[in-house]
Amino acid sequence: DAGVIQSPRHEVTEMGQEVTLRCKPISGHDYLFWYRQTMMRGLELLIYFNNNVPIDDSGMPEDRFSAKMPNASFSTLKIQPSEPRDSAVYFCASSFAPGQGAPSDTQYFGPGTRLTVL
Amino acid sequence: AQSVAQPEDQVNVAEGNPLTVKCTYSVSGNPYLFWYVQYPNRGLQFLLKYITGDNLVKGSYGFEAEFNKSQTSSHLKKPSALVSDSALYFCAVRDLTSGTYKYIFGTGTRLKVLA
Repeated sequence: DAGVIQSPRHEVTEMGQEVTLRCKPISGHDYLFWYRQTMMRGLELLIYFNNNVPIDDSGMPEDRFSAKMPNASFSTLKIQPSEPRDSAVYFCASSFAPGQGAPSDTQYFGPGTRLTVL
Repeated sequence: AQSVAQPEDQVNVAEGNPLTVKCTYSVSGNPYLFWYVQYPNRGLQFLLKYITGDNLVKGSYGFEAEFNKSQTSSHLKKPSALVSDSALYFCAVRDLTSGTYKYIFGTGTRLKVLA
């Protein structure tokens, strides 16, 4: 398996523009997570899905952020409109259900998308 | 409030010397504990995890970790550091009592191994 795939790897946009980040999880994984990493706040969980259903979106900072998972092999994180303070590295991760897979309870991270909002 | 703390922002160690990275946590119940490593411009990679049992767990790349539940702490260790071990190390917990599958990550400790 190629691992978790994220695109684009780098995104530079201007304030007010819509940004869409994409993720393809590892095949067979039941859970998908979106994280944001910044120097100031570290690694923050934004939202996670189980079997394509959003379970907890309490980490989504504002209504400008939305995430979807239309099928088991694809998820998007959208920011509309984007702001300079959204600049960060966004990671997608996937895993098997708790207690399943080997090693279980292990999240596999993609390489991240570095977003810069000017 | 649940939290994970990594008290050292950076740890410097000479190549060949032993390394230790510290973590403490405040989570109710008996959480699962994890260590991850992040190399520059890469995503986090799993190193090892602790659920229960032996307090010394061996992981990937020659790393091992001690877990002390009474002190709610963990130390990531390696007997002989390599320059290639230079990276950002994260401690994380999964709270089993929360009913969710959320991880709580520490802020990370940057390890610098000097040749």
